[in-house]
Amino acid sequence: GQNIDQPTEMTATEGAIVQINCTYQTSGFNGLFWYQQHAGEAPTFLSYNVLDGLEEKGRFSSFLSRSKGYSYLLLKELQMKDSASYLCAAMDSNYQLIWGAGTKLIIKP
Amino acid sequence: DTAVSQTPKYLVTQMGNDKSIKCEQNLGHDTMYWYKQDSKKFLKIMFSYNNKELIINETVPNRFSPKSPDKAHLNLHINSLELGDSAVYFCASSPLAGDVTDTQYFGPGTRLTVL
Repeated sequence: GQNIDQPTEMTATEGAIVQINCTYQTSGFNGLFWYQQHAGEAPTFLSYNVLDGLEEKGRFSSFLSRSKGYSYLLLKELQMKDSASYLCAAMDSNYQLIWGAGTKLIIKP
Repeated sequence: DTAVSQTPKYLVTQMGNDKSIKCEQNLGHDTMYWYKQDSKKFLKIMFSYNNKELIINETVPNRFSPKSPDKAHLNLHINSLELGDSAVYFCASSPLAGDVTDTQYFGPGTRLTVL
């Protein structure tokens, strides 16, 4: 079956770095997405990886290892506004997104 | 300008009623989606639709039906509402089905409460 696993909740300190992990199992693979969702709001796109390696975009970076079925989202210089849920989603061979349940990130001062 | 809009934002109704949620995108995208996000915050795809094809998640009850009057609209109609239908429903769109770099753009969500 198809499955996405990510931690339910993480806590980090303002100004610090946090890494949110995601493992996936899909029928075929056409890329890995990360979305951010603030409470009561819609998900918004953060990153897309289809090749192995690290993609950096400002304070946020995303890493993919296809052989391990593994990705992480790295957030640097954490700000209070980064408190949100982070959703990992893998695209299968039918170009359908398989979503994880999201990781709730709590930032403390 | 809102890229993907949904109405209503909140919907409270009684069990057994029939209701519709409207979705419109002004991005010129080819593909639209409906998702259900339950109390555990898990996003579940319900439907994806483009000009050519409707893909239905087989776990979705047939009380739910998407209706697309044109490429920019994909409405969700729900018959005989049940308590378990209470959730937030998100509409989304993406430029082109099958484009592996496709980003989905989400509407603001409709919070449905069934009493």
